[in-house]
Amino acid sequence: SAVISQKPSRDICQRGTSLTIQCQVDSQVTMMFWYRQQPGQSLTLIATANQGSEATYESGFVIDKFPISRPNLTFSTLTVSNMSPEDSSIYLCSVALFTDTQYFGPGTRLTVL
Amino acid sequence: KNEVEQSPQNLTAQEGEFITINCSYSVGISALHWLQQHPGGGIVSLFMLSSGKKKHGRLIATINIQEKHSSLHITASHPRDSAVYICAVRSGGSQGNLIFGKGTKLSVKP
Repeated sequence: SAVISQKPSRDICQRGTSLTIQCQVDSQVTMMFWYRQQPGQSLTLIATANQGSEATYESGFVIDKFPISRPNLTFSTLTVSNMSPEDSSIYLCSVALFTDTQYFGPGTRLTVL
Repeated sequence: KNEVEQSPQNLTAQEGEFITINCSYSVGISALHWLQQHPGGGIVSLFMLSSGKKKHGRLIATINIQEKHSSLHITASHPRDSAVYICAVRSGGSQGNLIFGKGTKLSVKP
């Protein structure tokens, strides 16, 4: 199994600022995923972060807006840049172990004013 | 049409009732996940299915690959079961992305 922690758990930010969300896993994993869940919507994959390579972004998401770091096999960060109220969401990191089981972090609830 | 459809969207039940949540999908999958999301946003993986049936405590999950349909059952429901239940399918093999349904919001009244 994998235990995932995220920081911060929630934040309220001003328009135009940036927030970096940290994700820590208690075991080494190759692939980490960042998801967004807008109010009333299902989860949407932002990007897949592999250690040692550039993150792979899904359609509609770009590196300038959501830069990701993956410095080692247990840690990743997602930055939400130049925020607007439309970025208000829950952001979740997730890992998939070799058993195909997917584990999710507790989420970061972001409100942009 | 979404690739993963859940029904119902909202469900209110009395404590002790038997609950069924349905999930239909339109893509080929390697696995189907049932997830539970608590009001604070955290998500817990309940089941991963590729065939048949799994049981964990009061929770039972079934999948019919031919009909592209899965159900999550909760027996003897309890207020602490109140949460959003999300069906997600993995396409494209074990490294494929998860495609999520919109979730079913369950409220169990005492």
